[in-house]
Amino acid sequence: SQQGEEDPQALSIQEGENATMNCSYKTSINNLQWYRQNSGRGLVHLILIRSNEREKHSGRLRVTLDTSKKSSSLLITASRAADTASYFCATDARSSNTGKLIFGQGTTLQVKP
Amino acid sequence: GAVVSQHPSRVICKSGTSVKIECRSLDFQATTMFWYRQFPKQSLMLMATSNEGSKATYEQGVEKDKFLINHASLTLSTLTVTSAHPEDSSFYICSARALSGHVWDTQYFGPGTRLTVL
Repeated sequence: SQQGEEDPQALSIQEGENATMNCSYKTSINNLQWYRQNSGRGLVHLILIRSNEREKHSGRLRVTLDTSKKSSSLLITASRAADTASYFCATDARSSNTGKLIFGQGTTLQVKP
Repeated sequence: GAVVSQHPSRVICKSGTSVKIECRSLDFQATTMFWYRQFPKQSLMLMATSNEGSKATYEQGVEKDKFLINHASLTLSTLTVTSAHPEDSSFYICSARALSGHVWDTQYFGPGTRLTVL
C-alpha cells in the first residue's frame, strides 16, 4: 500500500535552478529514504535519514525531515540535465520490523538544458 | 553503495510459458529480499517479501501460485512468473536489505527486468 504523498507530481525547471520535492507520510517511521529512477531503470539510493535526524546533505542534495508534520523534502541545488528522473520517498513504518518500505507516488523532474 | 543485480534485464516470452528472474546481492548478505512490480509512470508496488530458507510473504492481491519466489541463500532470490499472460507484462524490480542488530540498513535495488508476454 502506498502511504506517501509526494508533491509536486511533476516539476520542470531550467538547468542551474534548484528543485524541491516534498513527501508526506501517515504513520510513525524509523527512517525515510529518497531514491532516483531514470526511465526504464532500477532505483538508485540517494539518502537515508533516520527519525532522530532533521537534515542531511550529500553533494548537491539536501534532505530535511519533520516528524511532527510527518513530512520530508528533497532539495537538489544547481540542477543539471542529468538530474532528469523520477524521485521517490520511501518510509520504514515503526510499527513494522519487516524491512518493508512504503513508497510515495513519486515526482517526475525535468531539467531543461 | 551496495550492488544488487538482476537477470535477465529484458525477456520476451509466449503466453503460457514460465519465466524466472534472478536477484543477487553481490557484495553483502541480505537478510531480506523484496520483489516489486511497476507499471508505466507509476510507483513501485510491493509484491512479496522473501527471507532465506522460509516461505515468502505475499502482499494482498498477489497470487502466490502465479508468482513463485524461492530464496535459496542470503544472496539469491528468484521470482518465477508461471503460465505468463500478456497482463503479466511489466517491469519487475527486486531489492535487498540487511538487518544489522535491530537496525535496517539501506534497501538497495536491482536494475529491473522488463517482461513482455506475447
